[in-house]
Amino acid sequence: AQSVTQLGSHVSVSEGALVLLRCNYSSSVPPYLFWYVQYPNQGLQLLLKYTTGATLVKGINGFEAEFKKSETSFHLTKPSAHMSDAAEYFCAVIGTNFGNEKLTFGTGTRLTIIP
Amino acid sequence: GAGVSQSPRYKVAKRGQDVALRCDPISGHVSLFWYQQALGQGPEFLTYFQNEAQLDKSGLPSDRFFAERPEGSVSTLKIQRTQQEDSAVYLCASSHLSRETQYFGPGTRLLVL
Repeated sequence: AQSVTQLGSHVSVSEGALVLLRCNYSSSVPPYLFWYVQYPNQGLQLLLKYTTGATLVKGINGFEAEFKKSETSFHLTKPSAHMSDAAEYFCAVIGTNFGNEKLTFGTGTRLTIIP
Repeated sequence: GAGVSQSPRYKVAKRGQDVALRCDPISGHVSLFWYQQALGQGPEFLTYFQNEAQLDKSGLPSDRFFAERPEGSVSTLKIQRTQQEDSAVYLCASSHLSRETQYFGPGTRLLVL
């Protein structure tokens, strides 16, 4: 079984500052990894994903994440925060073993941007 | 093209009522998922279809929850005899093939009084 831990349920950064949202996973096999963003009263939108290949993944809105197998981590970063980045962010995994199709989510990190 | 749509967006039910939540996936998407998101939590898996076949229903919390996708397109999640603990946002997602990106609908917010 896999699980996801997101450290920090709330993160506040100043506009223009670095955004770092942490995600660690537990899985018996290297999983597929995802970051989703959720704006109020909306569904989840994919920011980026890692399946295979290059471990540094670039996504939409200037976000990127790096898969580090040795640390079982997939932290999300953005060099310069914008006000529009304020939202809830979810890290999720899908196991690569056959028959495992579901996303397992972390509990989310609410990002607040300070003007 | 159009994304995943869900209806109704909001539903208020009295305890004990039956409710039906609808999901229209992206056209041509084979896989369809239902998730439950409690307030302040991440979504939790309920059930998964590949075309009309329900391949995994391990997340359904009780036998009051039932999902179907009879023609391999639209899906309905039914909750019988609703309880207050059923209050949550119910999210539907679809993907073209297995383990590809899941695209989410806006959700149905269910409040059981």
